Amino acid sequence: GQNIDQPTEMTATEGAIVQINCTYQTSGFNGLFWYQQHAGEAPTFLSYNVLDGLEEKGRFSSFLSRSKGYSYLLLKELQMKDSASYLCAVGRLTGGGNKLTFGTGTQLKVEL
Amino acid sequence: DGGITQSPKYLFRKEGQNVTLSCEQNLNHDAMYWYRQDPGQGLRLIYYSQIVNDFQKGDIAEGYSVSREKKESFPLTVTSAQKNPTAFYLCASRRTGARLDTEAFFGQGTRLTVV
Repeated sequence: GQNIDQPTEMTATEGAIVQINCTYQTSGFNGLFWYQQHAGEAPTFLSYNVLDGLEEKGRFSSFLSRSKGYSYLLLKELQMKDSASYLCAVGRLTGGGNKLTFGTGTQLKVEL
Repeated sequence: DGGITQSPKYLFRKEGQNVTLSCEQNLNHDAMYWYRQDPGQGLRLIYYSQIVNDFQKGDIAEGYSVSREKKESFPLTVTSAQKNPTAFYLCASRRTGARLDTEAFFGQGTRLTVV
């Protein structure tokens, strides 16, 4: 099976930097994804890591350490519109295909 | 334009009735997924399918059934055996293969309310 853990809630200040952590345990690891989800909407893709290291995409960066089962999403220059839920998802190769399992999400609140 | 479409956006059903949620994609993706989301919660995997005529149970498959007769389509049936069917249902698809894996693309979701 898979265990994916993220903090439930975080609060940060507009203009600041926030790091959202995700730890996981799985066999057949096949990539880690970060998604953003606003209330009532579908998740939107932010980043993907399959090898160790940092992936940077504008104000968003994501890091992966496969040996530690650990990833983080870094959001810089926070804006009010970044208030949303951030979901960590782990891909796993199974006998039946590519399973994709999500964590429970981290609700980020950006304040003035 | 390519994309993944779920219909309808809102669905109301009486308790005890089966209901089928539609999911269609024209992205030529192999893998398709169904998730359930309850208020304030993450996404929980119901079923997934890698190829036509094959699908796998996810973490909460009880009370649900799926079919994959065509690559483009992956309908989900919520049966009367599902004890708490009211939820937001999300379908996703993804290209998979050696060094070709992509992110999952989501439909707009179907909000099912059982009364």
